[in-house]
Amino acid sequence: AQKVTQAQTEISVVEKEDVTLDCVYETRDTTYYLFWYKQPPSGELVFLIRRNSFDEQNEISGRYSWNFQKSTSSFNFTITASQVVDSAVYFCALSVDGSASKIIFGSGTRLSIRP
Amino acid sequence: KAGVTQTPRYLIKTRGQQVTLSCSPISGHRSVSWYQQTPGQGLQFLFEYFSETQRNKGNFPGRFSGRQFSNSRSEMNVSTLELGDSALYLCASSHGGETQYFGPGTRLLVL
Repeated sequence: AQKVTQAQTEISVVEKEDVTLDCVYETRDTTYYLFWYKQPPSGELVFLIRRNSFDEQNEISGRYSWNFQKSTSSFNFTITASQVVDSAVYFCALSVDGSASKIIFGSGTRLSIRP
Repeated sequence: KAGVTQTPRYLIKTRGQQVTLSCSPISGHRSVSWYQQTPGQGLQFLFEYFSETQRNKGNFPGRFSGRQFSNSRSEMNVSTLELGDSALYLCASSHGGETQYFGPGTRLLVL
């Protein structure tokens, strides 16, 4: 069975601090996709990144970076120099069988950035 | 390119009624998926449509149904509403299923 665990339910940091959101996944499939989505108070899920299981390269996009480690089944997300606008719920997700038509979401991490 | 749009954004219904939610995918996207989000259960997959055919289905009762039109627009219907159906219903579209792009959702409140 597939599973995504986001052990951090809520995180609160002061603006400009760095923060890492943890994601641990379980799957027996060798081909799978991992995602991060951001859900601001408005409700819309905003796509941040997709990684396939064969691409373990870390990625950096501005203040965002992702660390994918198959050895520990983790796909962690770091925000550098956090800003108030980063406040949202962040979801890690897993999709197997080569498509994203049936994504399994983690329970989400609520991130609050205090000014 | 315009994003995924959903109508209505907010809806209040009473138990026993039925409701239809609408989703317009990103232009060119042929896959539309629906998700239910509740505080207790989190995000749960309802179903996916591709080229007017249901391709995948989640573990929801038959009261939940959907369809897709030739222009890829999709509708979701819930009949005989129950209090537990109160949720945020999210629609997502993708070109072929790889990456899902979500709409703003429809907040349904069942009284």
